[in-house]
Amino acid sequence: DTGVSQDPRHKITKRGQNVTFRCDPISEHNRLYWYRQTLGQGPEFLTYFQNEAQLEKSRLLSDRFSAERPKGSFSTLEIQRTEQGDSAMYLCASGIPLAGGITDTQYFGPGTRLTVL
Amino acid sequence: AQKITQTQPGMFVQEKEAVTLDCTYDTSDPSYGLFWYKQPSSGEMIFLIYQGSYDQQNATEGRYSLNFQKARKSANLVISASQLGDSAMYFCAMGPYAGGTSYGKLTFGQGTILTVHP
Repeated sequence: DTGVSQDPRHKITKRGQNVTFRCDPISEHNRLYWYRQTLGQGPEFLTYFQNEAQLEKSRLLSDRFSAERPKGSFSTLEIQRTEQGDSAMYLCASGIPLAGGITDTQYFGPGTRLTVL
Repeated sequence: AQKITQTQPGMFVQEKEAVTLDCTYDTSDPSYGLFWYKQPSSGEMIFLIYQGSYDQQNATEGRYSLNFQKARKSANLVISASQLGDSAMYFCAMGPYAGGTSYGKLTFGQGTILTVHP
């Protein structure tokens, strides 16, 4: 079990540029989540995949954001035309249902810290 | 809508003593899960403990225990025998009931910074 990995760990970009982040979940986990965390705050939910299907998107996810999970394995999160307000830590988590089917324990990756200049 | 409130921005504890981190929640869902995560300065969120709303007994995981009081809507984390390595940000979170429209999504509180003094 290698855990959830994210790449890159840090990204500095200029306003208006596009960026793409990658998340590799724990191999047997069929659920994958993206969260955004700004300084001093708890993570906020962005979107959720079960296998390759994107089942929920937060209203935080504007039209400039898109996420994919082809073949139900790794996932990418792309931000187009970045703005300074996009500066945050982007966290990926993968999960598997707990016994009884009520919610699941999510295991987080190390995050990608985005800085938009 | 679900809401998690952590009212302690920061807590201090002496090494080897116990500490309680407060968490209250609000939800209209009849069933839910409550989680605690630890976030060291390195940034990675580490899962600590889970409590289901239907569980009769409080959850325990090593030095961590969750004091679940459903009527008060509280889910406090108790860390026994604190260690220097416990210094970190701690988040309480709630997950919705399976089968609802927001399956699996976690709602986090604002966190409590715990500092363990030698």
